[in-house]
Amino acid sequence: EPEVTQTPSHQVTQMGQEVILRCVPISNHLYFYWYRQILGQKVEFLVSFYNNEISEKSEIFDDQFSVERPDGSNFTLKIRSTKLEDSAMYFCASSWEGEQFFGPGTRLTVL
Amino acid sequence: AQSVTQPDIHITVSEGASLELRCNYSYGATPYLFWYVQSPGQGLQLLLKYFSGDTLVQGIKGFEAEFKRSQSSFNLRKPSVHWSDAAEYFCAVVAMEYGNKLVFGAGTILRVKS
Repeated sequence: EPEVTQTPSHQVTQMGQEVILRCVPISNHLYFYWYRQILGQKVEFLVSFYNNEISEKSEIFDDQFSVERPDGSNFTLKIRSTKLEDSAMYFCASSWEGEQFFGPGTRLTVL
Repeated sequence: AQSVTQPDIHITVSEGASLELRCNYSYGATPYLFWYVQSPGQGLQLLLKYFSGDTLVQGIKGFEAEFKRSQSSFNLRKPSVHWSDAAEYFCAVVAMEYGNKLVFGAGTILRVKS
């Protein structure tokens, strides 16, 4: 069964460093998403992406964040200059007929 | 904007007992409704979804949920809980007029005692 994959599973970085989180959505899906979950809190929407552009973004998704689909398979989330409060689990999802399929997540730890 | 309320932060049930997890949403029309389960350190697995039609939907692992428009609720139920059901459960909605993002509730942590 096809699934969404994410790499790395865990990323540790120093405050101020750039990180890129990678996702491979399910191949015939057209909408892609990033969500995050700070430890002990609810899952929050960051951004949705369709037809090679951002279709919606939340107030969390400020200028420090960017997304890209550099080729036909990968979907990346970049954080330009990480802050302590960016520490969270980041989930990628892709959707088909209204249902979103989630990857296993990347745990980002900012020191 | 839409919102989702899961009033119970923690629930503890005995193995074999029935379970109901509550979910209420705030939205004028009928949203798409979902229940996800998350085991510690894991991703989100879809249990079931409601888009339209029969208001009682069946999901995986023996779970079901009932959409009640008059109460703006979508409660999750299971007749007999297994120890492996211990996890965190999230209710989520998509209100298409606000885009197609999922809006999640705060989650309910289920503990199962033997």
